[in-house]
Amino acid sequence: DTVMTQSPASMSTSVGERVTVNCKASQSVGTVVAWFQQKPGQSPKRLIYLATNRHTGVPDRFTGSGFGRDFTLTISNVEAEDLAVYYCLQYDSIPLTFGSGTKLEIK
Amino acid sequence: EVQLVETGGGLVQPGRSLKLSCVASGFTFNNYWMSWTRQAPGKGLEWVASITNSGGSTYYPDSVKGRFTISRDNAQNTLYLQMNSLRSEDTATYYCTRDAPDWSEMAYWGQGTLVTVSS
Repeated sequence: DTVMTQSPASMSTSVGERVTVNCKASQSVGTVVAWFQQKPGQSPKRLIYLATNRHTGVPDRFTGSGFGRDFTLTISNVEAEDLAVYYCLQYDSIPLTFGSGTKLEIK
Repeated sequence: EVQLVETGGGLVQPGRSLKLSCVASGFTFNNYWMSWTRQAPGKGLEWVASITNSGGSTYYPDSVKGRFTISRDNAQNTLYLQMNSLRSEDTATYYCTRDAPDWSEMAYWGQGTLVTVSS
């Protein structure tokens, strides 16, 4: 199984700042990685697919990068509404596996 | 607009069975793979099952293989998850997801249905 090691577990930032979330795969997954946002009390929503492609309607403040084993989600100009838990997912191979999540808090 | 509505959750005793349903709308159902993913209270996400657009092939992680069965009725635009021999660790919110035409990618999510396994 491919383990997705996600960091940090939590972070606190101010509106207008830039933050990065990292995921490291235990083996190469090419670019078959997605990122999801889960706001409090809501179901997850896809932000990024195939490592770098924004899902329909996702603001360009959200950027995905990476290839092989190392992947990053960058949120630029953080807004208060970005308060959420962010998850990475590798869907290159069965079983599909998620990272453990990163909780973003807004100061 | 893609809409996925899950039903069927509830309180069930350990060892018993439960069947979840997910009614889909806003897209051509039989063109897409579908999946179930779950989230235990206060925990992260865990993929549970996927099915091809025709229903001819299914995929599971070891944690549910042999106990859970994913199926679909393309005439009724409905996805199912039959859960047998339920355990306390199966307690979670179960989400239905619409995937890609040829692989599982969880592009769209339903609102979820809560399953609680307890005596």
